[in-house]
Amino acid sequence: AQKITQTQPGMFVQEKEAVTLDCTYDTSDPSYGLFWYKQPSSGEMIFLIYQGSYDQQNATEGRYSLNFQKARKSANLVISASQLGDSAMYFCAMREGGDYKLSFGAGTTVTVRA
Amino acid sequence: DAGVIQSPRHEVTEMGQEVTLRCKPISGHDYLFWYRQTMMRGLELLIYFNNNVPIDDSGMPEDRFSAKMPNASFSTLKIQPSEPRDSAVYFCASSGGFRGALPSYEQYFGPGTRLTVT
Repeated sequence: AQKITQTQPGMFVQEKEAVTLDCTYDTSDPSYGLFWYKQPSSGEMIFLIYQGSYDQQNATEGRYSLNFQKARKSANLVISASQLGDSAMYFCAMREGGDYKLSFGAGTTVTVRA
Repeated sequence: DAGVIQSPRHEVTEMGQEVTLRCKPISGHDYLFWYRQTMMRGLELLIYFNNNVPIDDSGMPEDRFSAKMPNASFSTLKIQPSEPRDSAVYFCASSGGFRGALPSYEQYFGPGTRLTVT
């Protein structure tokens, strides 16, 4: 079974608007963590944000925030005030228990329009 | 502080040749991961090490693939013999340290090696 599901293969967003990228996950372990990575066309994988399952508050890092809904098993990424440089592929990933291994979703391509 | 370093950045080789990819993790990180990324299969974990010891190699495709970590600052991924279906981008990533009092699980990726096998 897929551990991470990203249902949006591609999205368009207008510059300066916010965009939400969906991610749902599947685990039976009470301790887990969720990650988002950005992969621009240049190819590197850039770590954006992390949310632990026991964290009380939703994670935020600058213009990135993670909308963590534990009961729904969703960990959506919100990018506020989109910029042209945000155009990239975005991957959601999860670790379980004390394991450092990550399971990645298929990714969502975001294109920011001027 | 330097990030994860990978070499070569690009490799073009002929089928049947041996290929060696190299990785230097971030200093102080005690986990090292090798991934492969293709359009068809996405990002796949091949193998990972903790304190230079292989922990999980279940993602290694077959015996043609091998990985070593002789010390904390160097790892290799070798393909022998290479085949056209091995063409992909190979990433190395490292992780470790602490976020406050808790382990830091974030993985930091190298720039990748784009391998083309003809």
